[in-house]
Amino acid sequence: GENVEQHPSTLSVQEGDSAVIKCTYSDSASNYFPWYKQELGKGPQLIIDIRSNVGEKKDQRIAVTLNKTAKHFSLHITETQPEDSAVYFCAASRYQETSYDKVIFGPGTSLSVIP
Amino acid sequence: NAGVTQTPKFRVLKTGQSMTLLCAQDMNHEYMYWYRQDPGMGLRLIHYSVGEGTTAKGEVPDGYNVSRLKKQNFLLGLESAAPSQTSVYFCASSYQGVSSYNSPLHFGNGTRLTVT
Repeated sequence: GENVEQHPSTLSVQEGDSAVIKCTYSDSASNYFPWYKQELGKGPQLIIDIRSNVGEKKDQRIAVTLNKTAKHFSLHITETQPEDSAVYFCAASRYQETSYDKVIFGPGTSLSVIP
Repeated sequence: NAGVTQTPKFRVLKTGQSMTLLCAQDMNHEYMYWYRQDPGMGLRLIHYSVGEGTTAKGEVPDGYNVSRLKKQNFLLGLESAAPSQTSVYFCASSYQGVSSYNSPLHFGNGTRLTVT
């Protein structure tokens, strides 16, 4: 079945360094790739997304890249800050006309930014 | 502006007991979802609804039932709780399908359920 793999499962970086989280998806029909950040005790919150007709998208210190051929997409966080510490989930979704848009989540990456 | 509100926040059940989790959203969203979150497994869809009065099964529906009698509410029921249902449950909503523009998932803060 469809699945999304995510690596690494845990990541520790020094404040100010960059962090990269990588995901691969299996469903070649996927066309929308959101990233969610989950802080302790809260629900996931969308931080950035990318569609299959775009190769890269940037929002301040966060960027996402997509390689459709390889079915890879990645989250890049530059100049990390302690408040970036959280669990990050990647996801892949495809439009379905007669149903909800199926969303498959990766298992998550726990990011710790060390001051 | 509450967004998605889940009650209760925590619950402990004994095997065989029943309970209902309540989700309410004030964003006039059509779609609502129930997910469970388990360590190392991400979020898995239990049931979803594409509008008032509709429900459908997700990836892991067994042992759960849902109802959407009002557009703003989505209830998740466990008729006979089992230890395998120990998890964190998240409700979410979206304006349209997730792949639509400006229609991301909005999550509540979760319910931590323990079944002993």
